[in-house]
Amino acid sequence: GAVVSQHPSWVICKSGTSVKIECRSLDFQATTMFWYRQFPKQSLMLMATSNEGSKATYEQGVEKDKFLINHASLTLSTLTVTSAHPEDSSFYICSAPPRGRTQETQYFGPGTRLLVL
Amino acid sequence: DQQVKQNSPSLSVQEGRISILNCDYTNSMFDYFLWYKKYPAEGPTFLISISSIKDKNEDGRFTVFLNKSAKHLSLHIVPSQPGDSAVYFCAAGMGAGSYQLTFGKGTKLSVIP
Repeated sequence: GAVVSQHPSWVICKSGTSVKIECRSLDFQATTMFWYRQFPKQSLMLMATSNEGSKATYEQGVEKDKFLINHASLTLSTLTVTSAHPEDSSFYICSAPPRGRTQETQYFGPGTRLLVL
Repeated sequence: DQQVKQNSPSLSVQEGRISILNCDYTNSMFDYFLWYKKYPAEGPTFLISISSIKDKNEDGRFTVFLNKSAKHLSLHIVPSQPGDSAVYFCAAGMGAGSYQLTFGKGTKLSVIP
């Protein structure tokens, strides 16, 4: 089946540094990818929609200057957490629906756990 | 304001018995619903879905029931197997062709051999 990968799977960084997380669709093209964040015992919360070749759209309350999204190709979207702070520590997960497929065929990556010290 | 709620954080069921996972929603604009299964260190995987025009969808051991008037859906697994032990997320979406989903917090199912 289709696979979505994320790199890194976990990262620990110091406060104030920037962290880049990659989301790749390995065997299909995705013009759109989604970035979610999950805090402990909370829901997966949609942060932004990444669109290939255009600007990402952000959900209300998500700072676009802090969470930079780049969707440079049909198989890669990156999320950069700029000037990370401890409150940004969370589980970040991306998803990608293959082009032209139904809503059910949305594949999720394994997630990236970020810990900011 | 949580639009999709899974009020039971965990559920334990004996192997072979029925598992029933519940989900409530508040937004009447949602028109399709999905259940995802998630193992530790993996992303959620799609399990079963239901459109708002239906009240039941069945796929093998998994059946999803939708009660629109009550804004409630449930996932039935029968018979439950130890391999079903995972976290189950209920998700809802609106609009044909829209992939944006609103998730519940998840219910951790433990199937006891």
